[in-house]
Amino acid sequence: QSVLTQPPSVSGAPGQRVTISCTGSSSNIGAGYDVHWYQQLPGTAPKLLIYANNNRPSGVPDRFSGSKSGTSASLAITGLQAEDEADYYCQSYDSSLSGSWVFGGGTKLTVL
Amino acid sequence: QVQLQESGPGLVKPSETLSLTCTVSGGSINNYYWSWIRQPPGRGLEWIGYIYYSGSTHASPSLKSRVTILLDRSKNQFSLRLSSVTAADTAVYYCVRVPGSANYPYYYMDVWGKGTTVTVSS
Repeated sequence: QSVLTQPPSVSGAPGQRVTISCTGSSSNIGAGYDVHWYQQLPGTAPKLLIYANNNRPSGVPDRFSGSKSGTSASLAITGLQAEDEADYYCQSYDSSLSGSWVFGGGTKLTVL
Repeated sequence: QVQLQESGPGLVKPSETLSLTCTVSGGSINNYYWSWIRQPPGRGLEWIGYIYYSGSTHASPSLKSRVTILLDRSKNQFSLRLSSVTAADTAVYYCVRVPGSANYPYYYMDVWGKGTTVTVSS
């Protein structure tokens, strides 16, 4: 069981908007720690997609956005494209586990 | 552009020590934190631990007793040693760069190596 909870899968048609949730607790997201998101295309290493809740590294399209509220965070993808099909992971810090960096279990995005 | 490359044995026997090295090219190892992440087959990501360029380290509580992370500034490399391995340690191991201040890491990973597969089997 991951400390951060994500839906196992989401799907959407090209051009649509999808969101991926990441639910934590009072010792991680709810405590104010930042949430980061990674995209892992099939057979490749993860890539930083969003850092510090809603910041995009250089080169990441503005179709990707992040938000955080309370004990949860969300990744939104608009104008869905076939190349967005990948696994997405959220990540944060947890103060109850001796200062651990924790990940969500990952969400598989399928573009229909 | 900074690139990371993992290297080390792809097969380790149970109870032995897994040793991996990450070579940093295209940039300095200074002023960053460096970390190891692993991903068991078909599963999610797990943080192992990190080292600051000054040498300070911090490891996951679940692995702390078996993990050693070292850094060689002269070679622009850092390494992972995981002792007493079992089949549960079979995974793809990634080395990553972590931005931060002198006091703490920002705990997000902005540069990743391609990963190296390590299988624990006799």
